Amino acid sequence: SQQGEEDPQALSIQEGENATMNCSYKTSINNLQWYRQNSGRGLVHLILIRSNEREKHSGRLRVTLDTSKKSSSLLITASRAADTASYFCATDAKSSGDKLTFGTGTRLAVRP
Amino acid sequence: DSGVTQTPKHLITATGQRVTLRCSPRSGDLSVYWYQQSLDQGLQFLIQYYNGEERAKGNILERFSAQQFPDLHSELNLSSLELGDSALYFCASSVPGRDNEQFFGPGTRLTVL
Repeated sequence: SQQGEEDPQALSIQEGENATMNCSYKTSINNLQWYRQNSGRGLVHLILIRSNEREKHSGRLRVTLDTSKKSSSLLITASRAADTASYFCATDAKSSGDKLTFGTGTRLAVRP
Repeated sequence: DSGVTQTPKHLITATGQRVTLRCSPRSGDLSVYWYQQSLDQGLQFLIQYYNGEERAKGNILERFSAQQFPDLHSELNLSSLELGDSALYFCASSVPGRDNEQFFGPGTRLTVL
């Protein structure tokens, strides 16, 4: 079953705008990871945030984590057409060993 | 390029058949994970191997099995295939003690006709 729910399911923005995606989960986690998938292809690892971290940056990506609300957000700044993809959050739950539990994903379309 | 390789990229077969998917993890990674991505179930964990031993099982059907060999590559065997087994199958690998950061291969797209 999917632990994570992502919001929105789909997002369409203009190039240069910022895109924000949210992920909610249900159980206590060790960390949360974000992945990008281009059109049914491989999953590209974007960023990992540990449960004791609140915010992390990587290039144009900013991830926040609120463990009290069991939620995370991914912000992509100054979006580009090449950012068009599906974005998934994946949680490493404390009670579930090493497996990742994925959210349902957000489909992002960036219009040139 | 994540460093995880999977073969074949595409596989088309008929119901009732058996197929083998192959995965080579990144150099140094001891853990291999298999995930299935389908339209109705999303991304689901199937099974994990660590240094040749099965470590965790998810929603893996009894018709499916996997193994990890001494050189750490892994194979996922799918038998008595059904139409509903059509999906993308991903392999991922991770380094012990690195926050379980998992890196995924390009996937094998299985189509069962």
